[in-house]
Amino acid sequence: SQQGEEDPQALSIQEGENATMNCSYKTSINNLQWYRQNSGRGLVHLILIRSNEREKHSGRLRVTLDTSKKSSSLLITASRAADTASYFCATFQGAQKLVFGQGTRLTINP
Amino acid sequence: NAGVTQTPKFRVLKTGQSMTLLCAQDMNHEYMYWYRQDPGMGLRLIHYSVGEGTTAKGEVPDGYNVSRLKKQNFLLGLESAAPSQTSVYFCASSYPPSRTSGRDPSSYEQYFGPGTRLTVT
Repeated sequence: SQQGEEDPQALSIQEGENATMNCSYKTSINNLQWYRQNSGRGLVHLILIRSNEREKHSGRLRVTLDTSKKSSSLLITASRAADTASYFCATFQGAQKLVFGQGTRLTINP
Repeated sequence: NAGVTQTPKFRVLKTGQSMTLLCAQDMNHEYMYWYRQDPGMGLRLIHYSVGEGTTAKGEVPDGYNVSRLKKQNFLLGLESAAPSQTSVYFCASSYPPSRTSGRDPSSYEQYFGPGTRLTVT
């Protein structure tokens, strides 16, 4: 079963607006990762947040982690057309296996 | 560096045929993974390897075999293809050794190849 579940499954916003995606997971984690997938391409790592961190920033990305609720959110500020992609959260099961959620499909309208 | 490469990019098979997908990485990563991606299912782990000569089953291993004879290569084989194996296959690698050994493998990002689109008719 999927460890991470993203919400919403699809999101459509206007360019310049902020986009927020949420991820829930089931078991305890050491860290949580977010990936982006452009259409027809492989996944690209965006950011990793450790279990002892509550918030992390990288450029226009802001990730939060609430281990008590087993949830994380990814905020993209000032969205651009190039941000159109699917976004996945991922957590480790065991020592080696990264398990992905089903993803949020983000569309930025010009 | 080329990163992670996959061959072929596209393939059409008839039911019962066999084929091998090749994944190669030039980052000296210890760990390599094969995933499949189906609409609405996200990525599911087929098999993975934590080092040369070792492999392990993931979430959906049935119908697939793998080999990691060389550290830089991870092969995924379909012995008798079925329509249910129509999918996009992604290879990934992670975890550089030596200077960073001892750190938690889960703290490393995975690098993905561009994918192989396989259709089984």
